[in-house]
Amino acid sequence: KAGVTQTPRYLIKTRGQQVTLSCSPISGHRSVSWYQQTPGQGLQFLFEYFSETQRNKGNFPGRFSGRQFSNSRSEMNVSTLELGDSALYLCASSLPGHRSPLHFGNGTRLTVT
Amino acid sequence: AQTVTQSQPEMSVQEAETVTLSCTYDTSESDYYLFWYKQPPSRQMILVIRQEAYKQQNATENRFSVNFQKAAKSFSLKISDSQLGDAAMYFCASGANAGGTSYGKLTFGQGTILTVHP
Repeated sequence: KAGVTQTPRYLIKTRGQQVTLSCSPISGHRSVSWYQQTPGQGLQFLFEYFSETQRNKGNFPGRFSGRQFSNSRSEMNVSTLELGDSALYLCASSLPGHRSPLHFGNGTRLTVT
Repeated sequence: AQTVTQSQPEMSVQEAETVTLSCTYDTSESDYYLFWYKQPPSRQMILVIRQEAYKQQNATENRFSVNFQKAAKSFSLKISDSQLGDAAMYFCASGANAGGTSYGKLTFGQGTILTVHP
C-alpha cells in the first residue's frame, strides 16, 4: 500500500508570493492533518480535514488555508509568503476514529527568500 | 490544552546498549493518548509506539518499550539493544479525544536527537 505522498519535495519562493502544497493520503484514510516544522518552534499543528470539512485548526494566521477533495487528497495554501514561513510542511493521514495513529509523508521543504 | 516537554536535546548510546528518552506532558483531557515518533534524516515521521492513557500496562513493540507513569505525567521510551538504524530525532506527542474533534491534532515535544555509536 502506498504511503502518504507529498508534492513537491522542495520549493523556493519569494516573499509576497503564494504557494500550494499537495498531499495524497494512504488509500482508505479520510483524515488529513498538516503540520509545520521549524528549528525554533518545532512541530506545530496547522489544521485537519475530514470528509472535505475542516475539523480542527491550529493557531496560525489566515494566510494559511487548506482544503480537502472528495478523494481525500488535500492541499494547503500560504498566501503573501513571509521569510518566517520557511519550514518543513508535513502532511499526515489516518483512518477514521480517534485512536488511529497518524501516518506522515516525507514533507515539503519550503524556502522563502 | 496540552503541553509536551522533552528535556534531553541530545542523547547518545553505544550499539547493543540500552537508552531511555524522557518525556513529560500535561493535559486537561481525561481521554488522551501518547506516542513516540522517530524522524530520521529522510524527514518522514515514523510511529514507534503508542500508549492509551486508560491502559495501565506499558506498551511494548519489539525493542521499544515505554514507562508510563500517569500520576507523574511521565512517558519515557526505552530502546533496548540499540542499532545504528535507531539514530534519529525522537518526538514525544500527545493527542486527545476532545469531543471527537481532536483526532488529527497532536502536540509534540521539541525532540531528542539520538546518536548511536558503533
